[in-house]
Amino acid sequence: KAGVTQTPRYLIKTRGQQVTLSCSPISGHRSVSWYQQTPGQGLQFLFEYFSETQRNKGNFPGRFSGRQFSNSRSEMNVSTLELGDSALYLCASSSPEYTRQGGTIGYGYTFGSGTRLTVV
Amino acid sequence: GESVGLHLPTLSVQEGDNSIINCAYSNSASDYFIWYKQESGKGPQFIIDIRSNMDKRQGQRVTVLLNKTVKHLSLQIAATQPGDSAVYFCAENGAGSYQLTFGKGTKLSVIP
Repeated sequence: KAGVTQTPRYLIKTRGQQVTLSCSPISGHRSVSWYQQTPGQGLQFLFEYFSETQRNKGNFPGRFSGRQFSNSRSEMNVSTLELGDSALYLCASSSPEYTRQGGTIGYGYTFGSGTRLTVV
Repeated sequence: GESVGLHLPTLSVQEGDNSIINCAYSNSASDYFIWYKQESGKGPQFIIDIRSNMDKRQGQRVTVLLNKTVKHLSLQIAATQPGDSAVYFCAENGAGSYQLTFGKGTKLSVIP
């Protein structure tokens, strides 16, 4: 089946602008999480959504936001872009059979190829 | 704070040799671990995972070992091939958490 699809692959934006990135998870996966990858900070968690609800958020400013739609597709938005927001933004989906209930654990986070955002 | 870290930033191995990539974690509540491979320009690719109630898990040419006593995770790659050249990350999923915490990565270079 199709993997995690992220669009667009590349973006160049100017400081102060805003940007919206899209992620389509693997069919049937209801959990979608977002990560920022930079050479200096590595992979850092942004937020996670399940059934249109944000369940967890990382330590990023409020300029970073996201949402999930009823078909599990997710978008993240960054407003008032700064040079430091230049990064690879990755989306991951995980299997609904292993949701975090009753001691069971999340399983098989599958990543997309990412969106490379450059802020100039 | 809690973190996952890697001992070695770079590793060079001869083609055909075995590779061992190590990872230390500090969150004793971590209950699920994943190894990822990331090639240039691509997203992390899932290699193998392990749960905290296990010590060892094997896949195709890969083995993950978990030592909870010293909070150490390792990835063993048998008969390393040039196609294994990439950056490898360990990731931890803590109990009650919906996020992965990643190590900084180890770059594996395979010498033909």
